[in-house]
Amino acid sequence: AQSVTQLGSHVSVSEGALVLLRCNYSSSVPPYLFWYVQYPNQGLQLLLKYTSAATLVKGINGFEAEFKKSETSFHLTKPSAHMSDAAEYFCAVSDNGRGSTLGRLYFGRGTQLTVWP
Amino acid sequence: EAQVTQNPRYLITVTGKKLTVTCSQNMNHEYMSWYRQDPGLGLRQIYYSMNVEVTDKGDVPEGYKVSRKEKRNFPLILESPSPNQTSLYFCASRTSGGTYEQYFGPGTRLTVT
Repeated sequence: AQSVTQLGSHVSVSEGALVLLRCNYSSSVPPYLFWYVQYPNQGLQLLLKYTSAATLVKGINGFEAEFKKSETSFHLTKPSAHMSDAAEYFCAVSDNGRGSTLGRLYFGRGTQLTVWP
Repeated sequence: EAQVTQNPRYLITVTGKKLTVTCSQNMNHEYMSWYRQDPGLGLRQIYYSMNVEVTDKGDVPEGYKVSRKEKRNFPLILESPSPNQTSLYFCASRTSGGTYEQYFGPGTRLTVT
């Protein structure tokens, strides 16, 4: 089974500051990687995904993430935080191996982002 | 509009009273899945279905049942709910191949007293 580690269950930044949310994964087969965002009282929305094309992936709302195979990381960044970015963020990795779990997503525990004015 | 719908959105019930949470998708997706979300634990998969009449257990299947009689619907059944099943539940769907991106419903907040 795959595993995903999100370092820091809570991250607080000031409006305008850099946002950095960390994600490390374990996978024996090159995976697909995802960041989802959950706004209060809403479902999960795809922010961006890595599918073995460019290692730097751009998503919605100014977010981007870089796939680093040597570090098994897929950290999410945004140069300048906005109040509307306050939400919970989940990193997920797909199982691209063989067997009955092919295509299954494994989620990290989430990081709650707070943006201060 | 392509979407995954869940009903009800909110439910308060008592221990032991059978309930069903419905999930429907209009994207003709083969794969559907149920998750529960608990604070500090992220999303954990309960059951999934690769196609009609094909279902399998996820990480936390105890106390839950599912069925997949039609491609678009994937109801979650709690035969005898208990307080430890109080949680936020999400249904999701995707195509059978591609990049495995899943589309999520809006969630069902269940409270069992």
